Amino acid sequence: DAMVIQNPRYQVTQFGKPVTLSCSQTLNHNVMYWYQQKSSQAPKLLFHYYDKDFNNEADTPDNFQSRRPNTSFCFLDIRSPGLGDAAMYLCATSREGNVGYTFGSGTRLTVV
Amino acid sequence: QKEVEQNSGPLSVPEGAIASLNCTYSDRGSQSFFWYRQYSGKSPELIMSIYSNGDKEDGRFTAQLNKASQYVSLLIRDSQPSDSATYLCAVKNRAGGGNKLTFGTGTQLKVEL
Repeated sequence: DAMVIQNPRYQVTQFGKPVTLSCSQTLNHNVMYWYQQKSSQAPKLLFHYYDKDFNNEADTPDNFQSRRPNTSFCFLDIRSPGLGDAAMYLCATSREGNVGYTFGSGTRLTVV
Repeated sequence: QKEVEQNSGPLSVPEGAIASLNCTYSDRGSQSFFWYRQYSGKSPELIMSIYSNGDKEDGRFTAQLNKASQYVSLLIRDSQPSDSATYLCAVKNRAGGGNKLTFGTGTQLKVEL
């Protein structure tokens, strides 16, 4: 089945230790997104790729970076995780146009 | 004013009743509207999309859109305990938006036996 896969499902990292979250898709969608969702809050867009074009949200901290080496894969790098970065990180994909997203299962990040 | 507003709930309904979930949005240029269901600890799942004024039905779900009032709603008929989840309203808006969705904080629905 075509899908969006995020790895790992759960990630524990130490305060200040770089961590990378991964996302892959078999839907061949040209747009990929990273959202951060904290408990009882709305998903917050961090950045998205339209094909290879990278689009950063104005309020995304510099601590967050992303890479999209090809259509299928996208990575979220957190250079120096703080306690406030503990959250669910959601990868989503879509075609362009008036369509919804397909989300991966998410990665729950814990910072200790 | 938040771009997408929802009552956080919880909204409690008895099994078999109609659950009514509401959402308002601030950008009049918004073009596409979506409802996602999110179970606790899971990722959002798309259940309905609506693009023009009026009603759109899919099984037990009906989405309603009123662009003049900047209001979108979701009705769930014959509510089941498995419908207990948080329902996120999402809006795709024009301003610099491209494909970006803006989400509300969600309404928690509890369907009681």
